[in-house]
Amino acid sequence: DAGVIQSPRHEVTEMGQEVTLRCKPISGHNSLFWYRQTMMRGLELLIYFNNNVPIDDSGMPEDRFSAKMPNASFSTLKIQPSEPRDSAVYFCASSFASRRASTDTQYFGPGTRLTVL
Amino acid sequence: AQTVTQSQPEMSVQEAETVTLSCTYDTSESDYYLFWYKQPPSRQMILVIRQEAYKQQNATENRFSVNFQKAAKSFSLKISDSQLGDAAMYFCAYRLPHGGGSEKLVFGKGTKLTVNP
Repeated sequence: DAGVIQSPRHEVTEMGQEVTLRCKPISGHNSLFWYRQTMMRGLELLIYFNNNVPIDDSGMPEDRFSAKMPNASFSTLKIQPSEPRDSAVYFCASSFASRRASTDTQYFGPGTRLTVL
Repeated sequence: AQTVTQSQPEMSVQEAETVTLSCTYDTSESDYYLFWYKQPPSRQMILVIRQEAYKQQNATENRFSVNFQKAAKSFSLKISDSQLGDAAMYFCAYRLPHGGGSEKLVFGKGTKLTVNP
């Protein structure tokens, strides 16, 4: 089975430009999570969806960030306009939400390393 | 708010020896999950082991085992017969079960494990 797929793997852009990160969750999973990893703040949740509906967006830094999940197999995280402080690794993870930890475990994609100059 | 603390920024171990990584957490919940994830230089987040709080028995996965002390809110990871491939950042994480609140993973800051040949 294919794991979580993220694209691009690396992105270098200039301040002020729009950046779109993409994620394809594991087939059959119904929850999707976006995390950000920085040296200063570690790994933090930005937003997560359950059955394509945003459930917790308390980690979204500000209005420059937006996320969508138009269907069960695709999600985007958009930053507009981008700033140097957005430079980080962005991870997407998916799970099958249930009451059983054996299935309700988050599996991560390879991440997108974003550099904003 | 739930917090996870890893007090050892770095650890080292000789190949074939045993090492224990520490993790403590703070929560007022009684039902939750705990995880250890491994992040090698490739930056892929890999699940190592998981523990459901209602289970008294400590989880084991081959050379990896945990010491879960619920009353002390402690969740340490023991790696036996350490191998060079175990060298990585290890993150302890906490989350609530599906239906119990936000399902985000709350991570510690990580412990960098070096394995010496």
